[in-house]
Amino acid sequence: GAGVSQSPRYKVAKRGQDVALRCDPISGHVSLFWYQQALGQGPEFLTYFQNEAQLDKSGLPSDRFFAERPEGSVSTLKIQRTQQEDSAVYLCASSLTRGREAFFGQGTRLTVV
Amino acid sequence: ILNVEQSPQSLHVQEGDSTNFTCSFPSSNFYALHWYRWETAKSPEALFVMTLNGDEKKKGRISATLNTKEGYSYLYIKGSQPEDSATYLCALLSNTGNQFYFGTGTSLTVIP
Repeated sequence: GAGVSQSPRYKVAKRGQDVALRCDPISGHVSLFWYQQALGQGPEFLTYFQNEAQLDKSGLPSDRFFAERPEGSVSTLKIQRTQQEDSAVYLCASSLTRGREAFFGQGTRLTVV
Repeated sequence: ILNVEQSPQSLHVQEGDSTNFTCSFPSSNFYALHWYRWETAKSPEALFVMTLNGDEKKKGRISATLNTKEGYSYLYIKGSQPEDSATYLCALLSNTGNQFYFGTGTSLTVIP
């Protein structure tokens, strides 16, 4: 596709439910980032992939959060046993190489009830 | 961690007015500074990527400057139009290239 695609756009989860958020980056983009944006805040870094390698996962808030990019293209962010504080917009971005402009998806708005 | 601050938090201007806002940061130890425009219900869109002290970039009515020595970047919009209404995000890319550190953004509303 022409841009970064994220699905679903909206997700309502019951507390304790597991969720999986998908990111389709621009084809050929090496770098892929996941961000979490809580209401009224700027995006907060979660994790970074270079191709299939997860080079930085220092932003993942707990061991309930897990991300993968097994073939160096599509990435999935999984949240286990969701909590209310996980409610946020989850943004995915990709860039051709390090330092180049990042292209963002529209985000997935997760609401945990 | 790079602490990125943006000001003002929100701004309302009349159509035709020129405006500017600030991104400030405590250290020049980063790879690049990016400006993004984020319109409601859309994806953040890259405006500028700036790497060098003294960099000036321009795209139409929008321009940006970078001063790494004094720790700020300015974004200018000349002759604001309603379609400029958006949140403008500043982000620093770490030297490793692994992380962007975002400010909280400046929300601009241009009143017709």
